[in-house]
Amino acid sequence: DAGVIQSPRHEVTEMGQEVTLRCKPISGHDYLFWYRQTMMRGLELLIYFNNNVPIDDSGMPEDRFSAKMPNASFSTLKIQPSEPRDSAVYFCASTPDRAGNTIYFGEGSWLTVV
Amino acid sequence: QKEVEQDPGPLSVPEGAIVSLNCTYSNSAFQYFMWYRQYSRKGPELLMYTYSSGNKEDGRFTAQVDKSSKYISLFIRDSQPSDSATYLCAMTRPNTDKLIFGTGTRLQVFP
Repeated sequence: DAGVIQSPRHEVTEMGQEVTLRCKPISGHDYLFWYRQTMMRGLELLIYFNNNVPIDDSGMPEDRFSAKMPNASFSTLKIQPSEPRDSAVYFCASTPDRAGNTIYFGEGSWLTVV
Repeated sequence: QKEVEQDPGPLSVPEGAIVSLNCTYSNSAFQYFMWYRQYSRKGPELLMYTYSSGNKEDGRFTAQVDKSSKYISLFIRDSQPSDSATYLCAMTRPNTDKLIFGTGTRLQVFP
């Protein structure tokens, strides 16, 4: 299996622009997680899905952030409008069962908002 | 207070040294404990997974959990330059899907 695939790997955008990050989880994995990593706050869970249904979005910082999972093989995280404080690495991860077992991370999308 | 505290380092050691990485936590409900390794510009990957108090060994790596003190450790024996990475502890409660991560400790092993 190719692992969790994220795109784009790097994105530089201007403040106010819309940003869309994409994720393809590992086939057969029922759980999908979106994390954000910064130096100051470390790795934070933004939202996760089980069988394409959002279960917990309490980590989404504000209404500018939204996430969807239209099918088992694709998810998006959208930021609109983007702000400089959104600059971070965004990781997608998936697991075949609950978080107590192995979570597989993608290589991340490095976002810079100028 | 954060639920999980981890010294960010950086920790710099010579090749062959024994490395000790630590996390403390405040929530006694945490039952599953993990260590992830993250190389520069990569995603975290699972290194060790433990459930009970005590030690678990895997090659040069030993994970230790002390639930009474709410303290977990990762020991690396005979450290190698290839061990240079950021190490993140993570933990979770039973019947939940959410992992709580420490902020990570950056380790550098120099030849």
